[in-house]
Amino acid sequence: KAGVTQTPRYLIKTRGQQVTLSCSPISGHRSVSWYQQTPGQGLQFLFEYFSETQRNKGNFPGRFSGRQFSNSRSEMNVSTLELGDSALYLCASSPRQPWRDTQYFGPGTRLTVL
Amino acid sequence: AQSVTQLGSHVSVSEGALVLLRCNYSSSVPPYLFWYVQYPNQGLQLLLKYTSAATLVKGINGFEAEFKKSETSFHLTKPSAHMSDAAEYFCAVSQYMNTGFQKLVFGTGTRLLVSP
Repeated sequence: KAGVTQTPRYLIKTRGQQVTLSCSPISGHRSVSWYQQTPGQGLQFLFEYFSETQRNKGNFPGRFSGRQFSNSRSEMNVSTLELGDSALYLCASSPRQPWRDTQYFGPGTRLTVL
Repeated sequence: AQSVTQLGSHVSVSEGALVLLRCNYSSSVPPYLFWYVQYPNQGLQLLLKYTSAATLVKGINGFEAEFKKSETSFHLTKPSAHMSDAAEYFCAVSQYMNTGFQKLVFGTGTRLLVSP
């Protein structure tokens, strides 16, 4: 099986712009979770989607949003970028319950905001 | 609410020495517990997980962890370190949300350094 893929791998944006990141889960996995990883805050949960529905959302401002399509592929969007949004964004897929199942992580998208 | 604490942001060992990475959690209900490893420029990979079966959990690459409810700990060990074990290790615990579903909360990570 192909692993979790994330595109793009690297992204450079300027403050105020918006960005869309994409995640393709492992075939058959219906849950997709997104995490923000920074040296200071570690891994922070953004949100989780299951069968096109957002089940959980972390403590991030409304500028962070996401969605999941019927083929389980997911996107996350960050609007009005701030310098503090620079981070590695990780996507992970699991069959149904990411708090119990094994999560399979993609390599991440490294976002740099200038 | 559940949370997880990893003691030591960096741990250094010699090749062949015992590896011990510490993880303590707080939880009012039996949680699910995980150890993930992250190699440079990669995503995370599952090492092992505890889901209320055997308290001693064996994982990949010779790692194991023991769930100790009385100590609220889930420490990761490996009898003999190898150079390829150098990576960052994350402990994670399940946490209930007000949605009724759960999420994973990750510790801040421990970077394992292995010297020849």
